[in-house]
Amino acid sequence: QVQLVQSGAEVKKPGASVKVSCKASGYTFTGYYLHWVRQAPGQGLEWMGRINPNSGGTNYAQNFQGRVTMTSDTSISTAYMELSRLRSDDTVVYYCARSGTTRGTYYFDSWGQGTLVTVSS
Amino acid sequence: EIVLTQSPGTLSLSPGERATLSCRASQSVSSSYLAWYQQKPGQAPRLLIYGASSRATGIPDRFSGSGSGTDFSLTISRLEPEDFAVYYCQQYGSSPWTFGQGTKVEIK
Repeated sequence: QVQLVQSGAEVKKPGASVKVSCKASGYTFTGYYLHWVRQAPGQGLEWMGRINPNSGGTNYAQNFQGRVTMTSDTSISTAYMELSRLRSDDTVVYYCARSGTTRGTYYFDSWGQGTLVTVSS
Repeated sequence: EIVLTQSPGTLSLSPGERATLSCRASQSVSSSYLAWYQQKPGQAPRLLIYGASSRATGIPDRFSGSGSGTDFSLTISRLEPEDFAVYYCQQYGSSPWTFGQGTKVEIK
């Protein structure tokens, strides 16, 4: 079955960077996009961007342009999201989620379990 | 960017009752590329509905979606105890993909 397993919780200082991983299994890694979505405690969902593991192509939300980098390693079916210049309001849960690659299939049919990143001095 | 507004913010109902959740878009959602997700505390969201009205794999038929253009709704025909959760709509017709702020369905 499809599984997305994320790396564990992180604690970082303001100004630092964090890199979260998302290991995929149960499907062809290069056949689907991987997206990153974040959620502040008790708040809604915010889309950060997506990567096409087949090409490495990315599309980032404007709010994160210049601070986020999404990459993938097809040899180990793993996607990464690195966020730099961390602030206190980056203390949220980060999710990876899978979608199809054609218009009409961009909904998120599988999600990782989430990774809590805490930014604190 | 398409802004999605969900209403009501909270819905207080009893098991067995019908729930109707609304999602309104600031501009037309192309080709009804609208999805609904359910999220329970401490869990990742789960896909319920895509394409405005298609149920995802394994989703019970008490969940149904409808709508087009700017107005969409999710209906739960008879609430089961496991349905009390937060529900989000999402449009995936144009980037950036955006979510509504959520509707909490709580036990009355």
